[in-house]
Amino acid sequence: DIQMAQSPSSLSASVGDRVTITCRASRTIRKSLNWYQQKPGRAPKLLIFAASSLQSGVPSRFSGSESGTDFTLTINGLQPGDFATYYCQQNYNTPWTFGQGTKVEIK
Amino acid sequence: EMQVVESGGGLVKPGGSLRLSCAASGFTFSSYSMNWVRQAPGKGLEWVSSIHSNSDYIYYADSLKGRFTVSRDDANNSLHLQMNSLSAEDTAVYYCAMETTTTGAFDIWGRGTMVTVSS
Repeated sequence: DIQMAQSPSSLSASVGDRVTITCRASRTIRKSLNWYQQKPGRAPKLLIFAASSLQSGVPSRFSGSESGTDFTLTINGLQPGDFATYYCQQNYNTPWTFGQGTKVEIK
Repeated sequence: EMQVVESGGGLVKPGGSLRLSCAASGFTFSSYSMNWVRQAPGKGLEWVSSIHSNSDYIYYADSLKGRFTVSRDDANNSLHLQMNSLSAEDTAVYYCAMETTTTGAFDIWGRGTMVTVSS
């Protein structure tokens, strides 16, 4: 199975900050990496697919990048509605696997 | 509007069975791959199962050990998950999620249905 090591597990940030979250795959997954946002009591929401493609309707302050087996989600200018938990997910090989999640909290 | 709605969750005793359903609307259900993803209370997301259009490919998480069976009824736009030999470790919110593009990302999610396994 492909393991996804996501870091940090949590972070505190202020409105307007730039936030970066990283996922490292245990082996190559090409660009088969997606990012989701989940708010308490809600279903996950797709933000980024194929490592760097912005899902329709998602604000452009969200971006994704890839370097080998390392993937990064960046939020430029954190907004109040961005405080949530973020998950990466690989869909290169089954079983599809998620990272452990990163909770973004208000500083 | 493309939408999926889960149902069938509830309280079940250890060793019991439960059948979850996911009703789809607003799109041609038969054209898309569907998935089940679960989330235990306070924990992260765990992929459970995938079924391709036409049911030609079906996948399960290894941790299920053959206890779960996914199926789809394209005539009635519905997805099902038959869960047997349930244990406390299966307690979770179960989400139905679909892939509307060839990228394989889960871009449409239901609100989930809670399954609680307890005596």
